Amino acid sequence: GAVVSQHPSRVICKSGTSVKIECRSLDFQATTMFWYRQFPKKSLMLMATSNEGSKATYEQGVEKDKFLINHASLTLSTLTVTSAHPEDSSFYICSAPDRENYGYTFGSGTRLTVV
Amino acid sequence: GENVEQHPSTLSVQEGDSAVIKCTYSDSASNYFPWYKQELGKRPQLIIDIRSNVGEKKDQRIAVTLNKTAKHFSLHITETQPEDSAVYFCAASRRSYIPTFGRGTSLIVHP
Repeated sequence: GAVVSQHPSRVICKSGTSVKIECRSLDFQATTMFWYRQFPKKSLMLMATSNEGSKATYEQGVEKDKFLINHASLTLSTLTVTSAHPEDSSFYICSAPDRENYGYTFGSGTRLTVV
Repeated sequence: GENVEQHPSTLSVQEGDSAVIKCTYSDSASNYFPWYKQELGKRPQLIIDIRSNVGEKKDQRIAVTLNKTAKHFSLHITETQPEDSAVYFCAASRRSYIPTFGRGTSLIVHP
């Protein structure tokens, strides 16, 4: 089945630094990628939708300049958390629609801790 | 847009009992309803899904029912086992549309 590879799985960074998270579709072309944030014991909160070759669409309340999304190729989408602060600590996870556009394949998630 | 309500938020059962999780949705055009299981710190995994032209689907101990008129769908797990303990999410979407997830149900199966 469709596989989305997400890296890194865990990252600890200092306040003020930037962190890049990559999601790569391994055996299919993902023209769309969804980026979610998940707090402990909470649901998946959609942050933005990235589309290959065009600007990402951000959900209300999500800072575009803080969460930079790039979808430069059909197999790679990246989320960069800029000038990270402790409140950005969370579980970030990407998801891509499968070939039939009904199901969704999730990356393995990235646990970000900002100290 | 779509709104998905999921209940209960926590469900505690004894091993061997059945567990039922219910979801309602608002967009009558939604036609795809997946269920995901998420273990702590891991990615959500699709466990079963149903499309709107089907009323019920079964896969071993797991079944999903859909009532399009009432706009609700349910996940049924029979003969629960400790390894079923996880957070379960329902979702609703239309083809090529962004899925809307429920808030999740934390299922605890006591041995």
